[in-house]
Amino acid sequence: QVQLQEWGAGLLKPSETLSLTCAVYGGSFSGYYWSWIRQPPGKGLEWIGVINHSGSTNCNPSLKSRVTISGDTPKNQFSLKLSSVTAADTALYYCARGVNGGGYLDLWGRGTLVTVSS
Amino acid sequence: SYELTQPPSVSVSPGQTARITCSGDALPKQFAYWYQQKPGQAPVLVTYTDTERPSGIPERFSGSSSGTTVTLTISGVQAEDEADYYCQSADSSGTYLLFGGGTKLTVL
Repeated sequence: QVQLQEWGAGLLKPSETLSLTCAVYGGSFSGYYWSWIRQPPGKGLEWIGVINHSGSTNCNPSLKSRVTISGDTPKNQFSLKLSSVTAADTALYYCARGVNGGGYLDLWGRGTLVTVSS
Repeated sequence: SYELTQPPSVSVSPGQTARITCSGDALPKQFAYWYQQKPGQAPVLVTYTDTERPSGIPERFSGSSSGTTVTLTISGVQAEDEADYYCQSADSSGTYLLFGGGTKLTVL
């Protein structure tokens, strides 16, 4: 059974860089698209960006200047970096597996909470 | 910027049919997908490519599409269906993904 697990620093100060990693357990990293999504407390879902099995990335235009997504195929992991965080970046961050060219997300991690506070 | 629009809330009694809509200009060009999210849980895919249903999802969940609007229909709603529902699609070029604002389904 394939599972995804996210981890990273849970408390950041404004202007710091958010750094999260997602590991894929029990399944292949290759052949899929891997996305990051976030959800501020009490609010809706926001797609952050995606990396595919060959390392190509794409990001939400509203976040593109601050987002870096990278992959480590041998480790079955991919990572998110979000620079210059503010309180508005406080959210539950999910990683998810994309299929059909990344068009939809059929498997999600449980999410990890990142809080930005001075 | 491109948006997907959902009603904030829908309420139905048990056994009735719930319909949740999602509107967007690019929906005639791009497939839509629906996710169910219960409190404290990650979203779960309930329909894909407009009308298909993943294995394990009850038959009472179905999707449809007409022009710039897609609809998630839940027939014979049960108390366990109370959740937030999100539509998801892509922009007209298929470059990036986006979600609707979400609809809270309340089972009265």
